[in-house]
Amino acid sequence: QVQLRESGPGLVKPSQTLSLTCTVSGGSISSGGYYWSWVRQHPGNGLEWIGCIYHRGSTSTYYKPSLESRVTISLDTSKNQFSLELSSVTAADTAVYYCARDGFRGDRRIFAMDVWGQGTTVTVSS
Amino acid sequence: DIQMTQSPSSLSASVGDRVTITCQASQDISNYLNWYQQKPGQAPKLLIYDATNLETGVPSRFRGSGSGTDFTFTITSLQPEDFATYYCQQYENLPRYTFGQGTRLEIK
Repeated sequence: QVQLRESGPGLVKPSQTLSLTCTVSGGSISSGGYYWSWVRQHPGNGLEWIGCIYHRGSTSTYYKPSLESRVTISLDTSKNQFSLELSSVTAADTAVYYCARDGFRGDRRIFAMDVWGQGTTVTVSS
Repeated sequence: DIQMTQSPSSLSASVGDRVTITCQASQDISNYLNWYQQKPGQAPKLLIYDATNLETGVPSRFRGSGSGTDFTFTITSLQPEDFATYYCQQYENLPRYTFGQGTRLEIK
């Protein structure tokens, strides 16, 4: 059973770069051709997809257009992790950040996130 | 960008009630729609994928329907553990996703 766990600083100063890591256990990040996503939730608000990374031989990344200029998602197969970097943060980036993965039902991919981390709270404040 | 309009934003109901939540897309998204449940302090949980398919292990009282631009999520008989926030999610522009605003389901 694949499990995901987010880690990283809980406090980031304005204008700095937010860096989070999602550690994958119970399976290999480089097998299966999954999309590995980051999703955030502002306090008291709904869910916002940030972006994802796909790895099967080569790697592709996809980002929410409004965040694309500040976001980088990368993957480290040797550590079985994928990471989020969000630059030039402001208080508006204060949120709970989740990592998640889509799934397969039999041989068919479903574009739905069926595995989630527990989330990590990041506060942007000086 | 495809916009998702989810309604109502909040809803009060009693155990045993039938509850319906709707999600409307700003353009045709075929059946590219999922539904999630989120309880306070927890990560979202997938309930329905591809508009109508019940995720493994999810009780059959949860149902999804619709295609194109109009989708419905129904709980046929509310149970105490169902009080939570529900989100629709579209993926027409694969693999980019957009969530609806959420519906908070509260106990009447």
